[in-house]
Amino acid sequence: GENVEQHPSTLSVQEGDSAVIKCTYSDSASNYFPWYKQELGKRPQLIIDIRSNVGEKKDQRIAVTLNKTAKHFSLHITETQPEDSAVYFCAASPGDNFNKFYFGSGTKLNVKP
Amino acid sequence: NAGVTQTPKFQVLKTGQSMTLQCAQDMNHEYMSWYRQDPGMGLRLIHYSVGAGITDQGEVPNGYNVSRSTTEDFPLRLLSAAPSQTSVYFCASSYSRGLGTGYNSPLHFGNGTRLTVT
Repeated sequence: GENVEQHPSTLSVQEGDSAVIKCTYSDSASNYFPWYKQELGKRPQLIIDIRSNVGEKKDQRIAVTLNKTAKHFSLHITETQPEDSAVYFCAASPGDNFNKFYFGSGTKLNVKP
Repeated sequence: NAGVTQTPKFQVLKTGQSMTLQCAQDMNHEYMSWYRQDPGMGLRLIHYSVGAGITDQGEVPNGYNVSRSTTEDFPLRLLSAAPSQTSVYFCASSYSRGLGTGYNSPLHFGNGTRLTVT
């Protein structure tokens, strides 16, 4: 089955700096890669996603890049704000029609004011 | 729309007890799934369903049963609770563009059930 590894496990940045979280996956059949943000005690919520036919996607301060050859994708947050503090999860889903997702272990982002 | 609704929010069980975690969605999504979240391990798939009457096992199915009699509901049953099942459980749903398309869609999560087994 798919194996998703996520680094770092914790990340502390100063407000206004950029943050980068990296994930690797093992199954070349994976073709959909969402990122979720989870605030303490809340449910995970989708913040951005990318499909395997695209190399990069951007939404305001958030961007995701995908390198299919290296089986590697990353989340980039620019101009970080204290409200960006949360746990972020990457996930990979094979294109097998079953909508199963394999998650990374999470990155706790702390944005210091 | 309420989205994905999970009950209960909290539950404490003794070892050996059984219970059902309820999950309902009102978005007419074909796909539904259950994940458990443990510290440092992300979310792991327990069981999933691609439509009413169809269920299958995920990564960590042992000790859990599911059924899908309607599109809306996808309950998770703990048969004989064990301390290793102490976790936060999330139900999720997503839409389908149809089998054979290879298109996966984002998960919509419920608010979770925090389960403690003593």
